[in-house]
Amino acid sequence: GAGVSQSPSNKVTEKGKDVELRCDPISGHTALYWYRQSLGQGLEFLIYFQGNSAPDKSGLPSDRFSAERTGGSVSTLTIQRTQQEDSAVYLCASSLRRGGEQFFGPGTRLTVL
Amino acid sequence: RKEVEQDPGPFNVPEGATVAFNCTYSNSASQSFFWYRQDCRKEPKLLMSVYSSGNEDGRFTAQLNRASQYISLLIRDSKLSDSATYLCVVNLGGSQGNLIFGKGTKLSVKP
Repeated sequence: GAGVSQSPSNKVTEKGKDVELRCDPISGHTALYWYRQSLGQGLEFLIYFQGNSAPDKSGLPSDRFSAERTGGSVSTLTIQRTQQEDSAVYLCASSLRRGGEQFFGPGTRLTVL
Repeated sequence: RKEVEQDPGPFNVPEGATVAFNCTYSNSASQSFFWYRQDCRKEPKLLMSVYSSGNEDGRFTAQLNRASQYISLLIRDSKLSDSATYLCVVNLGGSQGNLIFGKGTKLSVKP
C-alpha cells in the first residue's frame, strides 16, 4: 500500500520568502507529526495532530511556523519569512493511533539562501 | 536528565561481530518503545517494537528493563548493510501522543 508522501522533495528559496510543505499520510492514520532534522543532528519535534483534537504545537520554534491538517488527512507546514537557519530536512510521519509506530515520508529538503 | 539518551558512537565493528546498543529514558510512565534505523540522508524506518518480554527478529534482539529504564538492541552476525544510525524511541506516556527520538547511535560495519 501507499506510504507517507511529501512534496516537494527539494525546495530552494530565498531568505524572507514563504514556503509550504505538504504531507499525505497513510490512509486511515489518525495521527500526523512534523519533525525537522538538520545535517548530522537528531529529529526535532515540531507539531502533532490527532484526529479532530487541537494540535500539539509545543515544538514549533517560532511564530513563523504554522501547520494545518485539513479533513483529517493532508497536512501543510508553512514557514513564513524564511531564515537561513530554517534550512533542514522536514519530515512528516503518521501513525494509526496515538503513541504507536510512526511511518515516515521521504522528507522535504529545504535550503534557504 | 535527557528524556532519551544514547551513546552516539560510532561503533566500528567487523563483519560477523555481535554489537549491542543501550538507551536510557527518563519517564517511568513511558508505555511504548521502538528501535528505528536511519540510513544516511534517508528517513527513519521502523526496525522493531520493543515488548516487555523482549523480542527477537532474525539477527536482532530487543529488550526492555523497566526497573532501570533502559532498552537495548543486540545485533548478531553483523552485515555491511547494517551500517546505519539506530534511533531509540520512547512514547512519553499519559496523554502525550508524540514519540521522543534519541539522537541515535551510529554503527559502521567493516569488511
